[in-house]
Amino acid sequence: DSGVTQTPKHLITATGQRVTLRCSPRSGDLSVYWYQQSLDQGLQFLIQYYNGEERAKGNILERFSAQQFPDLHSELNLSSLELGDSALYFCASSVDQWREQYFGPGTRLTVT
Amino acid sequence: EDKVVQSPLSLVVHEGDTVTLNCSYEVTNFRSLLWYKQEKKAPTFLFMLTSSGIEKKSGRLSSILDKKELFSILNITATQTGDSAVYLCAGGSNYKLTFGKGTLLTVNP
Repeated sequence: DSGVTQTPKHLITATGQRVTLRCSPRSGDLSVYWYQQSLDQGLQFLIQYYNGEERAKGNILERFSAQQFPDLHSELNLSSLELGDSALYFCASSVDQWREQYFGPGTRLTVT
Repeated sequence: EDKVVQSPLSLVVHEGDTVTLNCSYEVTNFRSLLWYKQEKKAPTFLFMLTSSGIEKKSGRLSSILDKKELFSILNITATQTGDSAVYLCAGGSNYKLTFGKGTLLTVNP
């Protein structure tokens, strides 16, 4: 157990819908990262927050957004969902942006 | 664009064998090379290497980084069936990790 928690574990929804994935980092970690893992693309970096501020964006679609709250938990919002958004979404956290990242158990999103 | 390439893509060995997994990287503002093990779900952290030529060890696993050749290897000695997993290599820059596609290791009894 890495100490990073994610909810829900599984999510099944229809195309066009909007969902919110939640992540709580390890105690003491200020950085939160979101990744998408699909069979063909592997683990892809989406976005990073540090102590409430967005620090970097990767291959994140405009339909996706995220935020980090004052208590350091983070949410990833996915809207206008398409079949291709079906994937495992991981949250990771680290003490700061230079240190190793610890991954949560992931949320498996299925869009039907 | 940052790139991390792992080889081989898959490997099947017998218990007791020694394996070497390879990782090459091209990462802008490179700071660190990380190895993760992914079994059923979440990647679990193995090593982070920042200095060239210094081996990191944990039990039967060891790893070394060559910053001149932009290369790292992960060695597993005396493999066990519990080592079966996907091993991911990632190049760390200022704000993110760029992952390779992984090496699927299967250890047969």
